[in-house]
Amino acid sequence: AQSVTQLGSHVSVSEGALVLLRCNYSSSVPPYLFWYVQYPNQGLQLLLKYTSAATLVKGINGFEAEFKKSETSFHLTKPSAHMSDAAEYFCAVSGLSGGSYIPTFGRGTSLIVHP
Amino acid sequence: NAGVTQTPKFQVLKTGQSMTLQCAQDMNHNSMYWYRQDPGMGLRLIYYSASEGTTDKGEVPDGYNVSRLKKQNFLLGLESAAPSQTSVYFCASSTETAYEQYFGPGTRLTVT
Repeated sequence: AQSVTQLGSHVSVSEGALVLLRCNYSSSVPPYLFWYVQYPNQGLQLLLKYTSAATLVKGINGFEAEFKKSETSFHLTKPSAHMSDAAEYFCAVSGLSGGSYIPTFGRGTSLIVHP
Repeated sequence: NAGVTQTPKFQVLKTGQSMTLQCAQDMNHNSMYWYRQDPGMGLRLIYYSASEGTTDKGEVPDGYNVSRLKKQNFLLGLESAAPSQTSVYFCASSTETAYEQYFGPGTRLTVT
């Protein structure tokens, strides 16, 4: 069975500081990996995705993530946080389960940005 | 394109009442999903549909039923609502189950 672990339910950074949100996954086959962002009272929006092409994936709003198979990780980073980055972030994996690719989400990390 | 739409946006039910949450997508996607979101629990898959006319259980299907009679619509039913079903419900769609999902704005359901 596949699973996703997001380390830290809350991450707090100062504006301009590095953002690092951690995601580890388990999957029996090479997975598809995603990061989504959720702003208050909205649905989720795709930030970026890994689908077995380049291991460093660039997304919207200056975010990027690196797929590391040896570490089963897909951490999300942004060099300089902006106040508008404050939101809930979800890591997700789509791995093969019973013949179908079933998506599984992590529990989410709330990013708090201080002025 | 409207993307994924959900109705209603808010709903209050009494224990034992029934209702149907509606989801529509205009992107011609094959796959559709229903999730519930609870504080600290992330998104949990209730049911999904890989194609029109097919549905499969997800992680938390008990107390729910679904219908996918048309490709663009995916309905989630609660036959006898319980307080434990108080949650925010999200519908999503994707071209295939492996690929990125597009989410609706959510339905906030309270069962008293």
